[in-house]
Amino acid sequence: RKEVEQDPGPFNVPEGATVAFNCTYSNSASQSFFWYRQDCRKEPKLLMSVYSSGNEDGRFTAQLNRASQYISLLIRDSKLSDSATYLCAVPLTDSWGKFQFGAGTQVVVTP
Amino acid sequence: DAGVIQSPRHEVTEMGQEVTLRCKPISGHDYLFWYRQTMMRGLELLIYFNNNVPIDDSGMPEDRFSAKMPNASFSTLKIQPSEPRDSAVYFCASNLLGGAPDNEQFFGPGTRLTVL
Repeated sequence: RKEVEQDPGPFNVPEGATVAFNCTYSNSASQSFFWYRQDCRKEPKLLMSVYSSGNEDGRFTAQLNRASQYISLLIRDSKLSDSATYLCAVPLTDSWGKFQFGAGTQVVVTP
Repeated sequence: DAGVIQSPRHEVTEMGQEVTLRCKPISGHDYLFWYRQTMMRGLELLIYFNNNVPIDDSGMPEDRFSAKMPNASFSTLKIQPSEPRDSAVYFCASNLLGGAPDNEQFFGPGTRLTVL
């Protein structure tokens, strides 16, 4: 099993709809998690950090389920500009500063 | 503030040639990471440095790959000799941990390498 796994998608979402997707992780000792957004041919950029049960920033909500070892990202009222690949990142507990990135979930918001 | 700077942004070379990628981290950051991204394998960590010292190079695919960080503001990733399977986007990232176990990593714009 990979340390961090994501559904690659694509998730095709009508504009204005809600979309949610998960990221599962294998290390139960992980304490913090990150969602990065990557636009086509661009670098990943931090979208949200998750340190406890969840985090909300405008239309974006990240939730953590420690029992089932996954984090989710929910996007409400999807905009065309939300089309991107969303990467989850989990710091490795045995390597200071080292992250394991998931392969990413592609979201395509359509008019 | 300037972000992570990488050069060149694009590199096209022929198999067997030496390739050198460059990175300038954000000033004051104490960790620097080199990643490779391909469609097949996603984002892979190649090597990372803490205060200019290599900490973990287990992701470096072969001896053809080497990385240095001679000072806090500069790092290089060298491939010699290059092969077509090295074609990928190479990202440099940096962050400031300052004693914390984790913190946001800031990525540079990447170098898109094509080896013919």
